[in-house]
Amino acid sequence: GAVVSQHPSWVICKSGTSVKIECRSLDFQATTMFWYRQFPKQSLMLMATSNEGSKATYEQGVEKDKFLINHASLTLSTLTVTSAHPEDSSFYICSARSDETEQFFGPGTRLTVL
Amino acid sequence: QKEVEQNSGPLSVPEGAIASLNCTYSDRVSQSFFWYRQYSGKSPELIMSIYSNGDKEDGRFTAQLNKASQYVSLLIRDSQPSDSATYLCAVNVGTGRRALTFGSGTRLQVQP
Repeated sequence: GAVVSQHPSWVICKSGTSVKIECRSLDFQATTMFWYRQFPKQSLMLMATSNEGSKATYEQGVEKDKFLINHASLTLSTLTVTSAHPEDSSFYICSARSDETEQFFGPGTRLTVL
Repeated sequence: QKEVEQNSGPLSVPEGAIASLNCTYSDRVSQSFFWYRQYSGKSPELIMSIYSNGDKEDGRFTAQLNKASQYVSLLIRDSQPSDSATYLCAVNVGTGRRALTFGSGTRLQVQP
């Protein structure tokens, strides 16, 4: 299957700081990238869908000003958690697909906000 | 009603047995169905995709789809302890929607 990477794999930050997570498709051009969040013992919840070169579409209840998504190229999308708080601590997972491929997931980023 | 429903388990089977995982979905126009495996602390890994009614086999895994009953299942033959994980059913809900809607997952435990 196609390879999707995420960086960093884990991050610990202080409350009020911002954290940027990168998602890259390594061997294909991702026309669409998705950002999910997963709390312990719960399923993946879609946060937003981003298409290269256009604004992300956020799911209901997800604050677009808090979770900034940029999809500037066909291989890179970033999620910035602004002014992070302890309740933002979660496992953030991106996935990517092209028009020809199924959806492939990155390895995830575990965010802990102190 | 949740869009994609799974029994949370745990489903416990002995090594070598067949594990049967089930999933129902609510949107009749759903087109694509996927099974992912997720180990604790890891991201999901695609196991199977199925798009048309019937069975699809890949090694020890068989996915079954019945659109009339809005039901999709995953059979794991000759279950191994390494198959112990949470299995997520995912559906492309609605037409033209690229994002997947996930069930809450079924935790499978294969007893040695």
